[in-house]
Amino acid sequence: TAGITQAPTSQILAAGRSMTLRCTQDMRHNAMYWYRQDLGLGLRLIHYSNTAGTTGKGEVPDGYSVSRANTDDFPLTLASAVPSQTSVYFCASSDSIAGGGTDTQYFGPGTRLTVL
Amino acid sequence: GQNIDQPTEMTATEGAIVQINCTYQTSGFNGLFWYQQHAGEAPTFLSYNVLDGLEEKGRFSSFLSRSKGYSYLLLKELQMKDSASYLCAVRDSNYQLIWGAGTKLIIKP
Repeated sequence: TAGITQAPTSQILAAGRSMTLRCTQDMRHNAMYWYRQDLGLGLRLIHYSNTAGTTGKGEVPDGYSVSRANTDDFPLTLASAVPSQTSVYFCASSDSIAGGGTDTQYFGPGTRLTVL
Repeated sequence: GQNIDQPTEMTATEGAIVQINCTYQTSGFNGLFWYQQHAGEAPTFLSYNVLDGLEEKGRFSSFLSRSKGYSYLLLKELQMKDSASYLCAVRDSNYQLIWGAGTKLIIKP
C-alpha cells in the first residue's frame, strides 16, 4: 500500500509563477490536510478538507488554494508564488472527520519548494 | 493565543533514558500526539494521549496531565536510530492540530 504520495519531490520556481503540488492517498481517508514546515517553527496548517467536496482554511491560507473533487486527491495551488512561500510542504490524511478514536494524521513524504 | 512549548534540542547517550517535555496552552483539548521526524523525512506517529496517565509502547512512553497542560515522551534504551526531531501536537476544540516546533534529539555513542 502506497499510503500518501506527493509530487514533485522538490521544485525551484520563479517568483510570480503558478504551481500545483499534488497529493494522493489510497487509504480512503475522509480528511486531508496541507501543512508547511519552516525551520524553527511548528507545522502550520494551510488548508484542510473534512470530506470530498468541502475545504476549509487553516492558520496560513493566504496565497494558496485547494480543491477536493474526490476522496483520494487534494492538490494545493500557488497562484503567484513569492519567496516567502519557500518551505517544505506536507500533505496528510486521517480517517475521521472529528472525534471518534484517535483520528491520527498520516503524512506524505513532502515537497521541498524554493521560490526565487 | 495557542502555544506549544518544547525544548529546542537535547543530547543523550546511547543506551540511556531521555525525557522530552511539552507544555501547552490551547483553546480546548481533544488529545495530544507525539510524532517522530527524521531529517528530510515526514513525521511519523508515535503516541496519543487523551486521558491523564502513562501510555507505554515498547521503548517509548508518553505521559499526560491535562490539569497542568503538560506531557512528556520517555525514550528508554536509546539507540542511534532514535536521533530525530520529536514533535508534540495538541488537538484543539476545533479538532485542528496545533504543533510545537519540535525537539531535536542527538544521540551520542
